[in-house]
Amino acid sequence: AQSVAQPEDQVNVAEGNPLTVKCTYSVSGNPYLFWYVQYPNRGLQFLLKYITGDNLVKGSYGFEAEFNKSQTSFHLKKPSALVSDSALYFCAVRDIRSGNTPLVFGKGTRLSVIA
Amino acid sequence: ETGVTQTPRHLVMGMTNKKSLKCEQHLGHNAMYWYKQSAKKPLELMFVYNFKEQTENNSVPSRFSPECPNSSHLFLHLHTLQPEDSALYLCASSQDTGQVAEQYFGPGTRLTVT
Repeated sequence: AQSVAQPEDQVNVAEGNPLTVKCTYSVSGNPYLFWYVQYPNRGLQFLLKYITGDNLVKGSYGFEAEFNKSQTSFHLKKPSALVSDSALYFCAVRDIRSGNTPLVFGKGTRLSVIA
Repeated sequence: ETGVTQTPRHLVMGMTNKKSLKCEQHLGHNAMYWYKQSAKKPLELMFVYNFKEQTENNSVPSRFSPECPNSSHLFLHLHTLQPEDSALYLCASSQDTGQVAEQYFGPGTRLTVT
């Protein structure tokens, strides 16, 4: 079975500071990993994904995420937070060996960037 | 932003009503999805369609009935709902149901069952 955990319901960071939103996963094989963002009154938007290769993945709006196999983590990061980054962030995983089973999403982490 | 549209954006219905949610994607994708989003819970996948064929029904109660007349349109027909069905219903599409295909979401329909 595949699962994903986002241990923090809420993350607060000051504008201009670096931000990290945590995600850990559990799969029996190797993972495909995704980050999505949801702004108020909007659907989820794709940010980035890890498939294979370089462990550091760069995505939209200056976000990046680092795949760490030994820690089974895929934390989302940004060097300098903006107030406009305030949103709900979802991590998702799919086991490479699972065939076409659907993505499994985490519960989401609400990021608040304070001016 | 306009790749996947959903109507209505808000819906209030009584438990005896029948209503339908509509989703349309303009991305040329072949797969479409319905999700239920409730506060502080993971996104719940409800149904998956690939090339108009239903490939996933995630143990959804029969009071939710999907319909996919073509690859661009997806409906969710609602009848005899319960208050606990109140949630944000999200539609999504992807190029296919392949493992690395990212999904594109609509803005959702906020459903309130009274």
